[in-house]
Amino acid sequence: KQEVTQIPAALSVPEGENLVLNCSFTDSAIYNLQWFRQDPGKGLTSLLLIQSSQREQTSGRLNASLDKSSGRSTLYIAASQPGDSATYLCAPSGFQKLVFGTGTRLLVSP
Amino acid sequence: DTEVTQTPKHLVMGMTNKKSLKCEQHMGHRAMYWYKQKAKKPPELMFVYSYEKLSINESVPSRFSPECPNSSLLNLHLHALQPEDSALYLCASSQEGAQGVFGDTQYFGPGTRLTVL
Repeated sequence: KQEVTQIPAALSVPEGENLVLNCSFTDSAIYNLQWFRQDPGKGLTSLLLIQSSQREQTSGRLNASLDKSSGRSTLYIAASQPGDSATYLCAPSGFQKLVFGTGTRLLVSP
Repeated sequence: DTEVTQTPKHLVMGMTNKKSLKCEQHMGHRAMYWYKQKAKKPPELMFVYSYEKLSINESVPSRFSPECPNSSLLNLHLHALQPEDSALYLCASSQEGAQGVFGDTQYFGPGTRLTVL
């Protein structure tokens, strides 16, 4: 059974800092891995999807990497802004299903 | 248009009520999902529909009954729920990849906040 852990569980930084969110998963037989953000009480917004054959994916200030063999992914956020405050979830995809990580709650203060 | 809509936004029901949650997408996606999310926890998969057929049921109690009447609509019928079923219910959709693998981005709706009294 896939288990997904995210570290840190919570993170508070001042505006402008670069930061790294970590995701580890136990079953490396995945098809892809997605990163989502969730604002309080809201649905999920897809940020990036990395196929299992890829090592990296970039979108604006976000960069996600994937090391499938070691069961790790990182989300790098450059020049953080207060609007980045949210919970970030990683979700590796096995056959026909995503399994979500425990999440990292990010607070970026002005 | 990458929107998944869900109605209602909020629902309060008693344990003897019957209600339904509705989800709609017009992106031509053939895979649709129901997730349950408790406070401060990640979403947990409940059901997956592929080409309007139930593909995965994650051992969900029978008081939850999914239905996919067409390729754009997904319903979740609720009956005799318990207070512990109170949660945010999320719907999502995606393209279906080769050999039934859902390898594409999942798009989520805003969710229905359900409270069972």
